[in-house]
Amino acid sequence: AQRVTQPEKLLSVFKGAPVELKCNYSYSGSPELFWYVQYSRQRLQLLLRHISRESIKGFTADLNKGETSFHLKKPFAQEEDSAMYYCALSRLVGGKLIFGQGTELSVKP
Amino acid sequence: EAGVTQFPSHSVIEKGQTVTLRCDPISGHDNLYWYRRVMGKEIKFLLHFVKESKQDESGMPNNRFLAERTGGTYSTLKVQPAELEDSGVYFCASSQDRANSPLHFGNGTRLTVT
Repeated sequence: AQRVTQPEKLLSVFKGAPVELKCNYSYSGSPELFWYVQYSRQRLQLLLRHISRESIKGFTADLNKGETSFHLKKPFAQEEDSAMYYCALSRLVGGKLIFGQGTELSVKP
Repeated sequence: EAGVTQFPSHSVIEKGQTVTLRCDPISGHDNLYWYRRVMGKEIKFLLHFVKESKQDESGMPNNRFLAERTGGTYSTLKVQPAELEDSGVYFCASSQDRANSPLHFGNGTRLTVT
């Protein structure tokens, strides 16, 4: 079955601390992996995708096919990073997305 | 460019009533998707249009839900009759019909069925 699992509903860290939001997936084939973010009162927006191998707002995510994981990391969290983060996969970019349950990140001052 | 717009932003209706949600995709985006997040659960795919054609409607929960995209521009999602379990946030997203084109989401419509 195709599934995305985000084990943490809520992750709370202090400003300046490292943060890692976990994402594991189950998919037969080679999916495209994404992280989407929804800041308070804003729309869901793409944060990064594994095919770009880019760093956005200091966040990176490495696709580990052996562990079927796509964890999101940032070495030093900022208060403005507080938001809901969703890991998602699709068969191809721009295609139908399968979302995880989401992790609420709270960065405290 | 204008983003994906959804109307209304909120809707409160009684069980048994009808509600129609509207989505205006980004101009030129052939792909249009509807998703739903029911409270406490993940965002789930409902259906996918390519222009005016339904490409995939495997996520539509039952025949009380009807989606249309006449003319391949805006789309409507009608729920008739609404049930309590239909409450949630309905998202629309659009993308260009080319490889590596990312999805752009609207702000969502929060539907509450009482």
